[in-house]
Amino acid sequence: QVQLVESGGGVAQPGRSLRLSCAASGFIFSSYAMHWVRQAPGKGLEWVAVISYDGSNVYYADSVKGRFTISRDNSKSTLDLQMNSLKPEDTAVYYCARIHHYGSAIYSFDYWGQGTLVTVSS
Amino acid sequence: DIQLTQSPSFLSASVGDRVTITCRASLGVSSSLVWYQQKPGKAPKLLIYAASTLQSGVPSRFSGSGSGTAFTLTISSLQPEDFATYYCQHLNSYREVTFGGGTTVENK
Repeated sequence: QVQLVESGGGVAQPGRSLRLSCAASGFIFSSYAMHWVRQAPGKGLEWVAVISYDGSNVYYADSVKGRFTISRDNSKSTLDLQMNSLKPEDTAVYYCARIHHYGSAIYSFDYWGQGTLVTVSS
Repeated sequence: DIQLTQSPSFLSASVGDRVTITCRASLGVSSSLVWYQQKPGKAPKLLIYAASTLQSGVPSRFSGSGSGTAFTLTISSLQPEDFATYYCQHLNSYREVTFGGGTTVENK
């Protein structure tokens, strides 16, 4: 069965870095684009970044552009998010999610990880 | 950029009630609209994609409708396990992602 397991969350001081990972199993990882989505405490869902199936294309939310880097290793079925210059407003649960394309312009995030909490505080 | 506005933000209802949540898009999105359910401390769960297609395993009391700029999620008879927060999402390609602000359904 499809599984996405995030790791790497924790507490970091403002300006410091953290690296999140998402281990995928149960599907052909190299066939799917992958996303990071975050949720600040008590808030809604915020899209963070996406990487194409082969890693050749990446896109970021304006709120993290220039600070976060999404990457993947298809040989290991892992997705990463390098977070630099962290700010208190980056405090959130971070989810990795698989995007499924049904055809035409129809997509969904059909599988999500359990999330990993990042707290940015001095 | 497309904005999604959900209403209401909070909804109080009782078991057995019919519940309707609305999601409005700032521009037409055809049928590229997804609904998720999220319970506290859990990841979102896919309910409906393509505006009205029920994800496998989701109870038939959930339904979605609409196209263009106006969409609804309906729970025909609210069950105890349905108290949760619901989000709409627009996906037009693998990299164009927008979430609505969410609707929390609480027990009256």
